[in-house]
Amino acid sequence: KAGVTQTPRYLIKTRGQQVTLSCSPISGHRSVSWYQQTPGQGLQFLFEYFSETQRNKGNFPGRFSGRQFSNSRSEMNVSTLELGDSALYLCASSKTRNEQFFGPGTRLTVL
Amino acid sequence: GQNIDQPTEMTATEGAIVQINCTYQTSGFNGLFWYQQHAGEAPTFLSYNVLDGLEEKGRFSSFLSRSKGYSYLLLKELQMKDSASYLCAVRVDMNRDDKIIFGKGTRLHILP
Repeated sequence: KAGVTQTPRYLIKTRGQQVTLSCSPISGHRSVSWYQQTPGQGLQFLFEYFSETQRNKGNFPGRFSGRQFSNSRSEMNVSTLELGDSALYLCASSKTRNEQFFGPGTRLTVL
Repeated sequence: GQNIDQPTEMTATEGAIVQINCTYQTSGFNGLFWYQQHAGEAPTFLSYNVLDGLEEKGRFSSFLSRSKGYSYLLLKELQMKDSASYLCAVRVDMNRDDKIIFGKGTRLHILP
């Protein structure tokens, strides 16, 4: 059974640009959550999608958005990039509420 | 507010036992996770506790006391490959706002 996949694995952007990250969950998993991980703040919840609907949202500015497609694949978008957006972006999929499986992450560097 | 505390770093010796504590102050508690994360890799699921008590899975055990807002992860027969960060995370569910909040992680160093 394939795990959670994320593309791209690494990305370098400059301030002001926008970026789209992609996540494919484990087959049969309908919930996809996104997290930002930085050395200073640790793992912080961005949002969760279930059946193409945003179910929950963390405390991030509106520049961070996402969506989920009918095949459960999800994308997140960050507009008007800032230096502080440099982080590892992790996506996790789940079938039930008592588990969560993470993808390898996308390492975003903003110059 | 929601808060999760765990020690920043710990050191233990190969073959020994180590206990990593996690305390939390949250509203709408709905379960506690432990994850292992090796440097440069994604977190991997270790355990999930929603009821009080000890759950054992091989060399790893996790304990929860909801009344005390306390959990620990117990690692036995430590191996060098156990050197990693261990993340405590709490699922909170308040007014249909359901999310998982992570602690900042405990970096565990295993010495030979």
